[in-house]
Amino acid sequence: DIQMTQSPSSLSASVGDRVAITCRASQTISTFLNWYQQKPGKAPKLLISAASTLHSGVPSRFSGSGSGTDFTLTISSLQAEDFATYFCQHMYNRPYTFGQGTKLEI
Amino acid sequence: EVHLLESGGGLVQPGGSLRLSCTGSGFTFSGYAMNWVRQAPGKGLEWVSGISGSGGNTYYADSVRGRFTISRDNSRNTLFLQMNSLRAEDTAIYYCAKDGLGYNLDYWGQGTLVTVSS
Repeated sequence: DIQMTQSPSSLSASVGDRVAITCRASQTISTFLNWYQQKPGKAPKLLISAASTLHSGVPSRFSGSGSGTDFTLTISSLQAEDFATYFCQHMYNRPYTFGQGTKLEI
Repeated sequence: EVHLLESGGGLVQPGGSLRLSCTGSGFTFSGYAMNWVRQAPGKGLEWVSGISGSGGNTYYADSVRGRFTISRDNSRNTLFLQMNSLRAEDTAIYYCAKDGLGYNLDYWGQGTLVTVSS
């Protein structure tokens, strides 16, 4: 199985900050990499697919980059509603494993 | 608008069984693969199982293979997860999630809680 490792596990930031979360795959996954946002008590929501494609309705302050084994989710200017937990996930082959999550806190 | 609604969760004893359902609306249900993803309390996400749009192909995580069975009834726009021989470590919120175009899970239900405890 492909292992997904996110860093950091938690991150403290302020409104207006630029933040980056990284995700590393244990083997190459091309660009079969997605990012999800989850708020407490809610289901995850798709933010970015194929490493860099913004899902419909997602604000342009979110962006993704990377290919192969190393990927980055960047939020250019944090808004209050962005404080949540973020997960990466590969869909290169099954099982579709997730990273352990990054909790973004104020 | 795409909508997914899970049901069937609850409290069950170790070794027991439970069947989850997920009803979809707002899209052509039979045209998309579907998945179950779970999240243990305070933990991360774990992909559990997937099924093709026709139902002809099914996939499982090693942790549930042989105990869980995924199926679908496209005439009722409904996805199922039959869970047998349940263990304490199966305790989690179970989400159904729709495959998007291009290898992603683009819509998720609100989840249903399964608690395995004596």
